[in-house]
Amino acid sequence: SQQGEEDPQALSIQEGENATMNCSYKTSINNLQWYRQNSGRGLVHLILIRSNEREKHSGRLRVTLDTSKKSSSLLITASRAADTASYFCATDARTDKLIFGTGTRLQVFP
Amino acid sequence: EAGVVQSPRYKIIEKKQPVAFWCNPISGHNTLYWYLQNLGQGPELLIRYENEEAVDDSQLPKDRFSAERLKGVDSTLKIQPAELGDSAVYLCASSSRGIGNNEQFFGPGTRLTVL
Repeated sequence: SQQGEEDPQALSIQEGENATMNCSYKTSINNLQWYRQNSGRGLVHLILIRSNEREKHSGRLRVTLDTSKKSSSLLITASRAADTASYFCATDARTDKLIFGTGTRLQVFP
Repeated sequence: EAGVVQSPRYKIIEKKQPVAFWCNPISGHNTLYWYLQNLGQGPELLIRYENEEAVDDSQLPKDRFSAERLKGVDSTLKIQPAELGDSAVYLCASSSRGIGNNEQFFGPGTRLTVL
């Protein structure tokens, strides 16, 4: 079963623009993680935000977490064609078990 | 440092045939996961190992799926017999135990096609 749902399901932007994708989840969590998956490849961990954190940055990535709304957002600034991938949020509901969302497919055009 | 290794990368079989997938986790990672990923969906956990013990296999269809992790390192996931609906990508991941941080490292996956 999928815990989270990403929104939008698909996003197309031009290089240099910012991309924002959102994740909603259902249960209390220990942390929330974002992963990237390039076509036909495994997932790569991008960033982890704990339930007591509200915002976190890593390079061009900015993640926010609102536990009261059970939602998170991932912002990619100054996007590049190489950012084209599917992005998944995954929640750890205190069980050391990640439950993944349905993903956002991002297409960045040169 | 080598990542998670999986083989084969692709497998095509006919229904009712058996199939096996192999995974070698990152050295020192004692937690190993097998996921199933259907097209257009996120991964779904099949089984999680802590060393050689399966600590969460609640999502593993035990009538046809089996897994083992002998010696707490490599793992094998088997399907016997395969059905058409088993066509998917099977991902292996590993992590090191750490309080508050269970970042998982994924292998490239095995894409299974059942004809």
